[in-house]
Amino acid sequence: SYVLTQPPSVSVAPGKTARITCGGNNIGTKSVHWYQQRPGQAPVLIIYYDFDRPSWIPERFSGSNSGNTATLTISRVEAGDEAVYFCQVWDSSSEHVVFGGGTKVTVL
Amino acid sequence: QVQLQQTGPGLVKPSETLSLICAVSGHSISSNFHWGWIRQPPGKGLEWIGSIYHSGSTYYNPSLKSRVTISVDTSKNQFSLKLSSVTAADTAVYYCARHSLVHAPFDPWGQGTLVTVSS
Repeated sequence: SYVLTQPPSVSVAPGKTARITCGGNNIGTKSVHWYQQRPGQAPVLIIYYDFDRPSWIPERFSGSNSGNTATLTISRVEAGDEAVYFCQVWDSSSEHVVFGGGTKVTVL
Repeated sequence: QVQLQQTGPGLVKPSETLSLICAVSGHSISSNFHWGWIRQPPGKGLEWIGSIYHSGSTYYNPSLKSRVTISVDTSKNQFSLKLSSVTAADTAVYYCARHSLVHAPFDPWGQGTLVTVSS
């Protein structure tokens, strides 16, 4: 079955840029969605179809997808960005939704 | 604005069936959308359980398929999850969510229900 690989954790200083990767075989041919989950809360969609952003999500959040890696970029990181971030795709070969293992972002 | 409200017991005994309901407001469940269930064991990642199309056609995670039933009740504008023969490994927060196509993102999500499997 299709596997998405994310780093368990990323640490970043306030005001800097955080990059969270989501690796998968030819993931560039799939549509990738990203979710933010704060402690005790349900996940919230922040990036869909690789780089689109809901209107209420700050422009600091952006996405890209090519080759074997999709990337969520958080610019000018703020303390409120501390959360776990998950990537997700639809694997058409197995007709199966797949989530990455999640990346915990810590703001130093 | 569409909202999903989950209900169901927070404690289920081993070998019994877990049952949850997701009531949809602000949107007709009979419209051309898919409705899914996702779970998250404590301290772990997200696992898709399965989804149902408004017509009633379903598709499930192969690892859970033999134990899962998802159904729609259009008269009550809600859909439900049943997971049979539960064990402690099924202890998790269960979420319902909407997606417009099989490959579309899940949005919005329900509030989540912690279900503990224990005698």
